[in-house]
Amino acid sequence: GDSVTQMEGPVTLSEEAFLTINCTYTATGYPSLFWYVQYPGEGLQLLLKATKADDKGSNKGFEATYRKETTSFHLEKGSVQVSDSAVYFCALRVTGGGNKLTFGTGTQLKVEL
Amino acid sequence: GAVVSQHPSWVICKSGTSVKIECRSLDFQATTMFWYRQFPKQSLMLMATSNEGSKATYEQGVEKDKFLINHASLTLSTLTVTSAHPEDSSFYICSAREGTADEQYFGPGTRLTVT
Repeated sequence: GDSVTQMEGPVTLSEEAFLTINCTYTATGYPSLFWYVQYPGEGLQLLLKATKADDKGSNKGFEATYRKETTSFHLEKGSVQVSDSAVYFCALRVTGGGNKLTFGTGTQLKVEL
Repeated sequence: GAVVSQHPSWVICKSGTSVKIECRSLDFQATTMFWYRQFPKQSLMLMATSNEGSKATYEQGVEKDKFLINHASLTLSTLTVTSAHPEDSSFYICSAREGTADEQYFGPGTRLTVT
């Protein structure tokens, strides 16, 4: 079945450090890929998405590129801020799956001054 | 942006009792609502999908008689955990989608503890 694997956290970084959170997937067909972010006490919010191979999703300084050859969708940011501290979820949605999302386990990011 | 609320944010109940969790879309009409369950350090697992005015569609392995879902209006869906047991303790999250829109909007979740 469809699945998403993302690196375990927590990840602790200093402000202005470079961030990578790895995400790989297994899916039938050609899924759309997503990164969601959950700030403390809030619901998951869509951060970025990519719908086909080689697409790059970007938002708020975060980027992720849909790599079909490596079945990956790694999240990157060049310079993190304390306000980026949150839990990040990688997810996929298969076409024809009724808008059903399959999530990874989430990676907690903590950014310190 | 679109806002989804859940109530309560946390609840403790005794084994054998039932508990109801509400999910509301505050500024849009939620044609479809989704209920997820999350165990510590695990991913969100979809439990069921409900369309307004229709019976919910449950994922494989989810007991529909135990997890009763009602989506009676375009702004409210409820999940009732019947005859709760300690193994039902979990974090329950809902999301909502308007029409055929691509994006789902998530609620902040409800922490259920069954003693």
